[in-house]
Amino acid sequence: GAVVSQHPSWVICKSGTSVKIECRSLDFQATTMFWYRQFPKQSLMLMATSNEGSKATYEQGVEKDKFLINHASLTLSTLTVTSAHPEDSSFYICSASRLDTQYFGPGTRLTVL
Amino acid sequence: QKEVEQDPGPLSVPEGAIVSLNCTYSNSAFQYFMWYRQYSRKGPELLMYTYSSGNKEDGRFTAQVDKSSKYISLFIRDSQPSDSATYLCAMSAKGTGGGNKLTFGTGTQLKVEL
Repeated sequence: GAVVSQHPSWVICKSGTSVKIECRSLDFQATTMFWYRQFPKQSLMLMATSNEGSKATYEQGVEKDKFLINHASLTLSTLTVTSAHPEDSSFYICSASRLDTQYFGPGTRLTVL
Repeated sequence: QKEVEQDPGPLSVPEGAIVSLNCTYSNSAFQYFMWYRQYSRKGPELLMYTYSSGNKEDGRFTAQVDKSSKYISLFIRDSQPSDSATYLCAMSAKGTGGGNKLTFGTGTQLKVEL
């Protein structure tokens, strides 16, 4: 139990385009989901906390107009990277909360050309 | 100064060795301490968590927390090639996860060689 999926697992896009990443909790309902970004050999950096039915809470320094988060249901949260640029290339990981534990998705590798 | 410091490695050990992984932290509000294992191009998976100071053992894994020194450790006994991964420490002031923010270390890359 407690499986979290992400789609797509990897994506390549052109600079200036938008990319949507989905995070789903497959066998449980998650009131809270988190979005992280991880650069090579660096730690997971929390980008935002997403609560179902309300606006996401963004960490300092994260542009909310660039990284749009929607948590429309208890099993789905989406992250849209708008007008992506090469510096947005990274590994994006979501997690979903169940009781006292965060369960992480497998990540999405985004490459912006 | 980062809130959580962790040596990135890489750390290479022979099969069967005892591995010691460590993190230091500066925020005295942290009460919950976790270790995650992350394989290449995968999301982290929770290995163990400890509340406040003390030791916790689970099979070949032992987690230690010394709050007075702001120092936590993960020991792996009888290490196996399948233990090769990146190990991340994570900490929280309010809980192990749930709706609580976690602060991660950079992760230590471990390689267990035959």
